[in-house]
Amino acid sequence: AQSVTQLDSHVSVSEGTPVLLRCNYSSSYSPSLFWYVQHPNKGLQLLLKYTSAATLVKGINGFEAEFKKSETSFHLTKPSAHMSDAAEYFCVVSDPGFQKLVFGTGTRLLVSP
Amino acid sequence: EAGVAQSPRYKIIEKRQSVAFWCNPISGHATLYWYQQILGQGPKLLIQFQNNGVVDDSQLPKDRFSAERLKGVDSTLKIQPAKLEDSAVYLCASSPLAGGLHEQYFGPGTRLTVT
Repeated sequence: AQSVTQLDSHVSVSEGTPVLLRCNYSSSYSPSLFWYVQHPNKGLQLLLKYTSAATLVKGINGFEAEFKKSETSFHLTKPSAHMSDAAEYFCVVSDPGFQKLVFGTGTRLLVSP
Repeated sequence: EAGVAQSPRYKIIEKRQSVAFWCNPISGHATLYWYQQILGQGPKLLIQFQNNGVVDDSQLPKDRFSAERLKGVDSTLKIQPAKLEDSAVYLCASSPLAGGLHEQYFGPGTRLTVT
C-alpha cells in the first residue's frame, strides 16, 4: 500500500526567508504525488502535482517540489515566504492503478513578520 | 465557476443522534468523494461515487454511515447513530473524471462536534 510521511508537524519561518516542507513516500508502483494547501475555513487547494514527467514541478504561488526516487522524497520549497502562505500543507500520494488519494498528516506553516 | 458547496458548515449533536451532510459538486463533475478529517490528521477517503454508482466505500463504517448520490449530482452523507469519535470535518470533493491524476476540488467542509 502507498503512504506518505510528513517529517515536520510544524514549520516556522520569517517572511522573506525560504520554505522547506519535507515529505517521504512509500509506494510499490511509480507514484503520482501532490501537494495540497488548506487555509483556515477554506477548502483544500492543489498546489502542484508530479505524474512521472519532469522531476522538478512548479506550482502556484511560487511553490515547487522535486521528485527524488533514490531518496523517496517529494519536498516542497519556496524561495521567499509571504504572510499569506501560512496554512496547513498536505503531501499526497496516488497510485494510478488504485485511483485513490492518500494524505499525509499535514505540516502547519507559520510565517512571522 | 462555482466551487463545491457543502452545508451545514457547523453541526453540534449529542452521541446517538443522527446527522446528515449535503454536498453539491462542481457542475459536470462525474466523480464525487467524501472524506473524514479528524483533528491533527490528513483527510481519509470514506466513499467515492462515479456518477451515481459507488466506486469505493471500503473505509466507510457501514454500520452507522451511509451515503447516496441520487441522479449523479448532489450527495448526502448520513451518520446514525453518531459516536464521540465521529467528531471531525467532513469534506466533499469532486473531479471531472475518476482517478488520482485528476485534480480534486474540495468544498469548505462541515465541522461536526459530537458531545
